[in-house]
Amino acid sequence: SQQGEEDPQALSIQEGENATMNCSYKTSINNLQWYRQNSGRGLVHLILIRSNEREKHSGRLRVTLDTSKKSSSLLITASRAADTASYFCATELREDDYKLSFGAGTTVTVRA
Amino acid sequence: SQTIHQWPATLVQPVGSPLSLECTVEGTSNPNLYWYRQAAGRGLQLLFYSVGIGQISSEVPQNLSASRPQDRQFILSSKKLLLSDSGFYLCAWSWTVPPHNEQFFGPGTRLTVL
Repeated sequence: SQQGEEDPQALSIQEGENATMNCSYKTSINNLQWYRQNSGRGLVHLILIRSNEREKHSGRLRVTLDTSKKSSSLLITASRAADTASYFCATELREDDYKLSFGAGTTVTVRA
Repeated sequence: SQTIHQWPATLVQPVGSPLSLECTVEGTSNPNLYWYRQAAGRGLQLLFYSVGIGQISSEVPQNLSASRPQDRQFILSSKKLLLSDSGFYLCAWSWTVPPHNEQFFGPGTRLTVL
């Protein structure tokens, strides 16, 4: 069963705007990861945040993690057309440290 | 550097036919290996994972099976395909030892069962 749920399901923004998507999960985690998937392709790892971290940055990406609320957010700043993709959060559970549980994803469309 | 290969890229098979999808990893040894299925517009469902040669764990009951005959080879099989087996199949690998927890995905195989 899926542990994470992304919100919103779909997002359409203008180039240059910021895109924010959220992920909620149910049980204790070791870490939470965000992946990007371009249409018809494999997933690409973007960023990993551990359960003892609250915020992490990578280029134009900013991820926050609130373990008390069991939620995370991914912010893409100054979006570009190339950011058009589906974004998935994935959680590594404390008791299943080989496996990731993926949410259903947020589809982001960046309009030129 | 490490690379992961999957083939074929697309496959159209009749109901009841057998299936064999192959995944190989280069540039690393003793990786964890994973098979996922993704239905259209949905997230990933973990089907099988393997932490070593001959060690396969199944996540969901189904008519699919997996094998790991070599350290860096992971095969997904079926004796008789069902319509519900259609989907996008992704293979992934990860390092065995934490804290390298991210997974690296292959390009995927799009399977259509008619």
